[in-house]
Amino acid sequence: DAKTTQPNSMESNEEEPVHLPCNHSTISGTDYIHWYRQLPSQGPEYVIHGLTSNVNNRMASLAIAEDRKSSTLILHRATLRDAAVYYCTVNSGGSNYKLTFGKGTLLTVNP
Amino acid sequence: EAGVAQSPRYKIIEKRQSVAFWCNPISGHATLYWYQQILGQGPKLLIQFQNNGVVDDSQLPKDRFSAERLKGVDSTLKIQPAKLEDSAVYLCASSSFGTPRSYEQYFGPGTRLTVT
Repeated sequence: DAKTTQPNSMESNEEEPVHLPCNHSTISGTDYIHWYRQLPSQGPEYVIHGLTSNVNNRMASLAIAEDRKSSTLILHRATLRDAAVYYCTVNSGGSNYKLTFGKGTLLTVNP
Repeated sequence: EAGVAQSPRYKIIEKRQSVAFWCNPISGHATLYWYQQILGQGPKLLIQFQNNGVVDDSQLPKDRFSAERLKGVDSTLKIQPAKLEDSAVYLCASSSFGTPRSYEQYFGPGTRLTVT
């Protein structure tokens, strides 16, 4: 699976947008990009995923660069409940679907 | 729908003792995963089951760790004997198979193991 690089930490203010970057320069053409987040003392939870096109869901938006070597998770209006570690991971899916997590980005949201 | 259940939530043991963790996945989920998460790091996959068969156990320390999923539903992960470096949170996750949402893994709350 392709390796991902994320900033160790980021800070935001409540109700402002947050852009969390991820580099995955060795991604292959069939790899999907997934984002999970982990709130304190909880297991990770799925946020969003995509292949080539930008994606939106109720939690966030995923912007994928045209060359697919980077992506950005966008939280449109950060809340205190969005404070968590955000993980970006890429993998090929299929029947042997598995996630390889890095250290992720610790997002702090200030009131 | 009920989430992934894990027990116990916390466990403290001395090194060289044995310990077992239990996981009950979401009903109908054929794929089950065990992860180890050391403080400050992301989860690391230990083993992946598809029904009651092992799909991937390449990162499982087989000299001391074992896992089973006999009836393709719940699963146990055992450590025997435990070492200090096994102190971590053990996470169980499950996902559906062969469905449009098979990519989404659902995680349990984890078991925090402290080895003294």
